[in-house]
Amino acid sequence: KQEVTQIPAALSVPEGENLVLNCSFTDSAIYNLQWFRQDPGKGLTSLLLIQSSQREQTSGRLNASLDKSSGRSTLYIAASQPGDSATYLCAVWEGGSEKLVFGKGTKLTVNP
Amino acid sequence: NAGVTQTPKFQVLKTGQSMTLQCAQDMNHEYMSWYRQDPGMGLRLIHYSVGAGITDQGEVPNGYNVSRSTTEDFPLRLLSAAPSQTSVYFCASSTGGGITYEQYFGPGTRLTVT
Repeated sequence: KQEVTQIPAALSVPEGENLVLNCSFTDSAIYNLQWFRQDPGKGLTSLLLIQSSQREQTSGRLNASLDKSSGRSTLYIAASQPGDSATYLCAVWEGGSEKLVFGKGTKLTVNP
Repeated sequence: NAGVTQTPKFQVLKTGQSMTLQCAQDMNHEYMSWYRQDPGMGLRLIHYSVGAGITDQGEVPNGYNVSRSTTEDFPLRLLSAAPSQTSVYFCASSTGGGITYEQYFGPGTRLTVT
């Protein structure tokens, strides 16, 4: 059974700091990996989608990498801002299924 | 495009009552799914559909029914509500299976069962 783990569960940083959020998965047979952002009381917003054949994707200050063989992904946020404060969720699409498996998220707080 | 819409936003039910959570998308997406989000448990898949007339179970299907009569709509029915079904419910859709397609989520329905 695919399991997705995100460490740390919570992270607090000062504004301007570069930071890395980690995601690991137990089964490397995935189709893709997606990073989401969730603001309190809101739905999920897709940030980046990395297909299984790709190594990384970039969008603005965000860069996500994928290492299938080691079962790991990282989300790098450059020059963090208070507006980046949210919970970040990682999810993998199981190979051979039609299912997205989520981690429990990392709650990020960026202090002004 | 309105994207993925869900109604209602909030709902309080008594144990044993039934109700339907509505989900609609206007992006002509084939794939739709329902998740529940609980503190400490993350998001868990309830049911999904790969196209009109086709549905399948996810990780936590008990107590829920779905049907997919049109491409646009994917309602989730609670047959006899229980306190354990208190949760936030999210509907999602995508163009097709997850190989290359992003999942788009609705704003959620917050359900309390007393």
